[in-house]
Amino acid sequence: GAGVSQSPRYKVAKRGQDVALRCDPISGHVSLFWYQQALGQGPEFLTYFQNEAQLDKSGLPSDRFFAERPEGSVSTLKIQRTQQEDSAVYLCASSRKPARRGGSYNEQFFGPGTRLTVL
Amino acid sequence: SQQGEEDPQALSIQEGENATMNCSYKTSINNLQWYRQNSGRGLVHLILIRSNEREKHSGRLRVTLDTSKKSSSLLITASRAADTASYFCATAVPFLAGGTSYGKLTFGQGTILTVHP
Repeated sequence: GAGVSQSPRYKVAKRGQDVALRCDPISGHVSLFWYQQALGQGPEFLTYFQNEAQLDKSGLPSDRFFAERPEGSVSTLKIQRTQQEDSAVYLCASSRKPARRGGSYNEQFFGPGTRLTVL
Repeated sequence: SQQGEEDPQALSIQEGENATMNCSYKTSINNLQWYRQNSGRGLVHLILIRSNEREKHSGRLRVTLDTSKKSSSLLITASRAADTASYFCATAVPFLAGGTSYGKLTFGQGTILTVHP
């Protein structure tokens, strides 16, 4: 079936502009994650949804970052009043149920990312 | 902050040679995963090894895990030019949120592998 898709793939914003990044997870995947990847670095966790509930937003760098998943499928990451330091690739990932009793957490399936450049 | 540290940061080899990448981490984990990222693309999951496993194979990939040393290695045998990519280890740590435990992934900085034809 289709993998995780993200749009747009590239976004150029002027400093101060608001942006919205979309993620379509794999159908039926309960868990959805957002990551930020700076150039030359590994991805860093931003936030986690289980269905429509945002259970962990500890990685969001400031209150300018807001994420939602209102119907438990598509998610949107919104960045208000963008700054140059927000320039990065934003990755979305989804996975099946978080864990089985006594089992191991599942692998995450990543989308291609949105490369955000703030001028 | 990133839990994992990967070594080496960059590796350049000839096609047909083996490539070994190492990852160290700091806290107890549920599992450790390796991902590959080609230039300009998202991450592709390669292999997952649970904390109670010591070694795992998948095709030309061999992963080892030493929880006493908090380290893992990824071996790619008989490398190909198409293996050229960045490789990341990621540790899954139990995280309790909203009454549910989930595996929170923390990535290392990655190893850039270049395989010359």
